[in-house]
Amino acid sequence: AQTVTQSQPEMSVQEAETVTLSCTYDTSESDYYLFWYKQPPSRQMILVIRQEAYKQQNATENRFSVNFQKAAKSFSLKISDSQLGDAAMYFCAYRRLVRNNDMRFGAGTRLTVKP
Amino acid sequence: EAQVTQNPRYLITVTGKKLTVTCSQNMNHEYMSWYRQDPGLGLRQIYYSMNVEVTDKGDVPEGYKVSRKEKRNFPLILESPSPNQTSLYFCASSFGRDTQYFGPGTRLTVL
Repeated sequence: AQTVTQSQPEMSVQEAETVTLSCTYDTSESDYYLFWYKQPPSRQMILVIRQEAYKQQNATENRFSVNFQKAAKSFSLKISDSQLGDAAMYFCAYRRLVRNNDMRFGAGTRLTVKP
Repeated sequence: EAQVTQNPRYLITVTGKKLTVTCSQNMNHEYMSWYRQDPGLGLRQIYYSMNVEVTDKGDVPEGYKVSRKEKRNFPLILESPSPNQTSLYFCASSFGRDTQYFGPGTRLTVL
């Protein structure tokens, strides 16, 4: 079964600095999607960034970018110029394109931003 | 506004009292799913539906039922809730297997 591992339960960053959240996954599939979701105190799940496995180029969304290493099955999230509003739980997720039970989430990383 | 709605947002109930959590989406998504979120475990899939009248089990389906009679609605039914079903529940929808959009969550407490 596919698994998603976030090895950092908690991370802290100074405002305006850069932080990287780690995620590894296990799969035998060649094509799939990877996601980072943000969950602020409101508990709403908000999409941060999305990566299609067949694309070599790393996805970017403003201050958020990923380092996608397909061979290593690694999908880290880099947040640049951290802001107080970035404080949240961040979940890495894997979604395969075929067969059942297609979605897997990591356990999450709680990010604290210090002013 | 494109959205996924869930009701109720908060629910406290007692063991064995049947309950239904509704989920509705207005994006014409064919795929819908239910998750539960527990501390340290992330989100785990309960049930999902690829389209109307097509549902299948996720990783933790025991104690839950679903139905998909209309494309926009995907209710989650707990026939006889137990305390171990106390959790935060999310409904989500998507086009195919691309990005899922989540509802606001339902906090369920079973006493």
